[in-house]
Amino acid sequence: KAGVTQTPRYLIKTRGQQVTLSCSPISGHRSVSWYQQTPGQGLQFLFEYFSETQRNKGNFPGRFSGRQFSNSRSEMNVSTLELGDSALYLCASSYWTSGYEQYFGPGTRLTVT
Amino acid sequence: SQQGEEDPQALSIQEGENATMNCSYKTSINNLQWYRQNSGRGLVHLILIRSNEREKHSGRLRVTLDTSKKSSSLLITASRAADTASYFCALDDKIIFGKGTRLHILP
Repeated sequence: KAGVTQTPRYLIKTRGQQVTLSCSPISGHRSVSWYQQTPGQGLQFLFEYFSETQRNKGNFPGRFSGRQFSNSRSEMNVSTLELGDSALYLCASSYWTSGYEQYFGPGTRLTVT
Repeated sequence: SQQGEEDPQALSIQEGENATMNCSYKTSINNLQWYRQNSGRGLVHLILIRSNEREKHSGRLRVTLDTSKKSSSLLITASRAADTASYFCALDDKIIFGKGTRLHILP
């Protein structure tokens, strides 16, 4: 089975712009979660989608949004980028929503200048 | 929402020694998972332990869970250079990670 893929791998954007990141889960996995990782804050949960519905949400401002499509692929959008949004954004897929291991993608490294 | 807190924040040991790291949490959980992250392989799931389990083994890894103390420990025996990584615990389906323990194996 192919692993979790994320595109793009690297991205440089300017303050005020918006960005869309994409995640393709492992085939058959229905849950997709997004995380932000920074040296200062560590790994922080953004949101989880299951069967096209947002199931859980972390403590991030409304500028961060996501969605999941019927094929379980997910996208994450950040609007009005700020310098502090520079981070590694990780996507993880899981067969179900709880009690199952998550498989992480390589991440998208976003730099906001 | 609660967060697992790993302890210590950083640990350096000689190759071949055992490494122990801990995770504490505040409210009841259904399961706890340990993950490893290094630059080469990204974040990788190591082991899942459910709340009704006390100990679980996987190769050189041993995980214990004490629900009365709300803590878990991860023991890596006979450490190798490849074990150099950050280790995280994750709680339940809330998937709240701590900041991790950075483990460095010295040659």
